[in-house]
Amino acid sequence: AQTVTQSQPEMSVQEAETVTLSCTYDTSESDYYLFWYKQPPSRQMILVIRQEAYKQQNATENRFSVNFQKAAKSFSLKISDSQLGDAAMYFCAYRYYGGSQGNLIFGKGTKLSVKP
Amino acid sequence: ETGVTQTPRHLVMGMTNKKSLKCEQHLGHNAMYWYKQSAKKPLELMFVYSLEERVENNSVPSRFSPECPNSSHLFLHLHTLQPEDSALYLCASSQDRTRFYGYTFGSGTRLTVV
Repeated sequence: AQTVTQSQPEMSVQEAETVTLSCTYDTSESDYYLFWYKQPPSRQMILVIRQEAYKQQNATENRFSVNFQKAAKSFSLKISDSQLGDAAMYFCAYRYYGGSQGNLIFGKGTKLSVKP
Repeated sequence: ETGVTQTPRHLVMGMTNKKSLKCEQHLGHNAMYWYKQSAKKPLELMFVYSLEERVENNSVPSRFSPECPNSSHLFLHLHTLQPEDSALYLCASSQDRTRFYGYTFGSGTRLTVV
């Protein structure tokens, strides 16, 4: 069974600094998707970034980028120039490429605090 | 609005009550999901509907009963709940084509069972 592990329950970063959140996953599949979601206090989960496993190039979205290491089954999220609005829970998620239903498997999350 | 709307935002109910959670999406998606989010636990998938048919039920107790009358609406009917059912219930939708672009979530219903 696929699993997603986020080993850092909490992280803290100074405003304008850079922080990296870790995620590892376990799968026997070769084709899959990986995601990072953000959940602020408003509770709504927001998609931050998406990666397709067959693409070697790391995905980027403005200040957010990933370090995707397929062989190591690692998918870390880097947030550059951290802002107060980045404070939230961050969830890493995996979904097998095949199949017709998008059943995402989530990690337990990392709570990110941003200090002014 | 995000495209996925959940009501109510908060709900307090007694163990003998019957209530329903509602989810509505206006994104034209063809799949909808119920997740349970409890403190210190990963998100737990409860139900999956694709094209209005239930395709997955992850051994959820029968006191939770889903309903999907059409592709835009999803309900979760609750009856005789237990205090451990208190959690944030999240609805999500997705469009499954050749590629998968992730879920769009609602803001959840915070349920407290007393």
